[in-house]
Amino acid sequence: KAGVTQTPRYLIKTRGQQVTLSCSPISGHRSVSWYQQTPGQGLQFLFEYFSETQRNKGNFPGRFSGRQFSNSRSEMNVSTLELGDSALYLCASSLLFGAGDDYEQYFGPGTRLTVT
Amino acid sequence: AQSVTQLDSHVSVSEGTPVLLRCNYSSSYSPSLFWYVQHPNKGLQLLLKYTSAATLVKGINGFEAEFKKSETSFHLTKPSAHMSDAAEYFCVVSAFNFGNEKLTFGTGTRLTIIP
Repeated sequence: KAGVTQTPRYLIKTRGQQVTLSCSPISGHRSVSWYQQTPGQGLQFLFEYFSETQRNKGNFPGRFSGRQFSNSRSEMNVSTLELGDSALYLCASSLLFGAGDDYEQYFGPGTRLTVT
Repeated sequence: AQSVTQLDSHVSVSEGTPVLLRCNYSSSYSPSLFWYVQHPNKGLQLLLKYTSAATLVKGINGFEAEFKKSETSFHLTKPSAHMSDAAEYFCVVSAFNFGNEKLTFGTGTRLTIIP
């Protein structure tokens, strides 16, 4: 079956603008998580949605927000972009979220955001 | 609280020799542990996972890891390195905490294979 898809793959924005990234999970997966990857901070958890509800949130400012639609597709929005927001944004989907024998996250290829 | 420490930021081995990537973790709850691999300009791919069953876990591409609770370690090994193993590897911990689950990633180990 098709994997996790993310659009767009590359994006260039200027400071102060806002941006929306999209993630389509694997068919049947209801949990979608977002991560930010930077050379300095590594991979950091942003938030997780399950059945259109945000269940977990990492330590990011309110400029970072997201939502999930009834078909499990998810969007992530960053407002008032800063230079430090330049990163690879990864989306991952799973049937559920958390520990357990059935738990596994599948990652998309990411969206590389450059803020100038 | 949970954390994971990858002890080496960069490991170089010759093709055909063993690979050892080290990972220590801490968790207030019974953890699940994972190793992911990331090739350049690609997303992360799951290599293997430990979820409280057998302590020796076998994964894809000949990799395996052993969960050692007494040492709080989950080192990744492979008997014989291949050129295609060159990538970044991430050790990840997840602890079930009644609705507050999240993944915590290590800082990554870049594996270089010398021909």
